[in-house]
Amino acid sequence: EPEVTQTPSHQVTQMGQEVILRCVPISNHLYFYWYRQILGQKVEFLVSFYNNEISEKSEIFDDQFSVERPDGSNFTLKIRSTKLEDSAMYFCASSENRAGYGYTFGSGTRLTVV
Amino acid sequence: ILNVEQSPQSLHVQEGDSTNFTCSFPSSNFYALHWYRWETAKSPEALFVMTLNGDEKKKGRISATLNTKEGYSYLYIKGSQPEDSATYLCASGKTSYDKVIFGPGTSLSVIP
Repeated sequence: EPEVTQTPSHQVTQMGQEVILRCVPISNHLYFYWYRQILGQKVEFLVSFYNNEISEKSEIFDDQFSVERPDGSNFTLKIRSTKLEDSAMYFCASSENRAGYGYTFGSGTRLTVV
Repeated sequence: ILNVEQSPQSLHVQEGDSTNFTCSFPSSNFYALHWYRWETAKSPEALFVMTLNGDEKKKGRISATLNTKEGYSYLYIKGSQPEDSATYLCASGKTSYDKVIFGPGTSLSVIP
């Protein structure tokens, strides 16, 4: 069964450093998303991406965040200058635009900012 | 702001018991309601996506119903097994390609 792949599974970074989280969505999916979950809190929407551009972003997704689909397969989330409060599990997801189909999630990247 | 709620927050049941939990969502501008099953250290797995009022879906011992007019969905598990232990997330979206907003989840523990 097709999978969404995320790397790395765990990243530790120092506050102020840039991190890039990588995702390979399912190849025939058209819609891509990043969500995150801070420990003990809800899964929160960050950004959706369609047709090579951001279709929607949340208040969390400020100027420190950016997304790219550089080569038609990878979908990356960059955090330019990490803060302690960016520590969370980051999930990538992709979906088809077909009724009855949900998202396929990757297994997540646990980001720890120290 | 789309706000999705779930209850209860957590549930402990004995193996063999049947159980159900609730997801409530704003009924205006509704498009789809998703249910996901999320085991620790794994990725959330899609169980159901429902769009029509009165929809009922079933997958093995798990089923779900949808009431879009009053803004709620129920997830039922018949004869719970230890492997059903997981967090069950619901999520609601306004269009076919829009983001979905997740509820806080219901954590289910099935005691052997």
